Amino acid sequence: NAGVTQTPKFRVLKTGQSMTLLCAQDMNHEYMYWYRQDPGMGLRLIHYSVGEGTTAKGEVPDGYNVSRLKKQNFLLGLESAAPSQTSVYFCASGRQGFAEAFFGQGTRLTVV
Amino acid sequence: SQELEQSPQSLIVQEGKNLTINCTSSKTLYGLYWYKQKYGEGLIFLMMLQKGGEEKSHEKITAKLDEKKQQSSLHITASQPSHAGIYLCGADGGTASKLTFGTGTRLQVTL
Repeated sequence: NAGVTQTPKFRVLKTGQSMTLLCAQDMNHEYMYWYRQDPGMGLRLIHYSVGEGTTAKGEVPDGYNVSRLKKQNFLLGLESAAPSQTSVYFCASGRQGFAEAFFGQGTRLTVV
Repeated sequence: SQELEQSPQSLIVQEGKNLTINCTSSKTLYGLYWYKQKYGEGLIFLMMLQKGGEEKSHEKITAKLDEKKQQSSLHITASQPSHAGIYLCGADGGTASKLTFGTGTRLQVTL
């Protein structure tokens, strides 16, 4: 039982490059979330999904796009990376709400 | 939007001592969640509180939600090195779609 798996775990990008972060869950959860964690600012919600084919904006969606084509996968895309997007990104999934939400191990992204 | 303030921001305690972390909300709490994060890792769900005055315990960790549902506390009894990490409170604001987090409390337990 893998739970929530994030790929990659580390990445260094140059300003202007694009990349996609993959979140995969094997628990058949409806809800999936992407957060970023920055020092002194806690976790901030970027985008979330309440089911396959749905996405919605969170607190800090600018500069990111997401897709949920398959229930088990939630992709986070950066079309043109900026240094302000240097952060640790966490994906989470839950059956219904956060009572039993599971978090991935995080992706540490550095944009230079 | 709902804001959560945690105090203290960081805490260093000697092994065996008790400690309390507070989480204060700018709005009424419908669902209050406590998570623990080990350094460099993801979050682990600890407890969820919904009712005013509710109290839950797991091993040596007790969480309470006040009657007015605007403040929660997390109490650790007889702290151990395994308790070290970052503790975060989160609130769902009445909808399961989003969870707002506090900035976290960093706990170190010394021998």
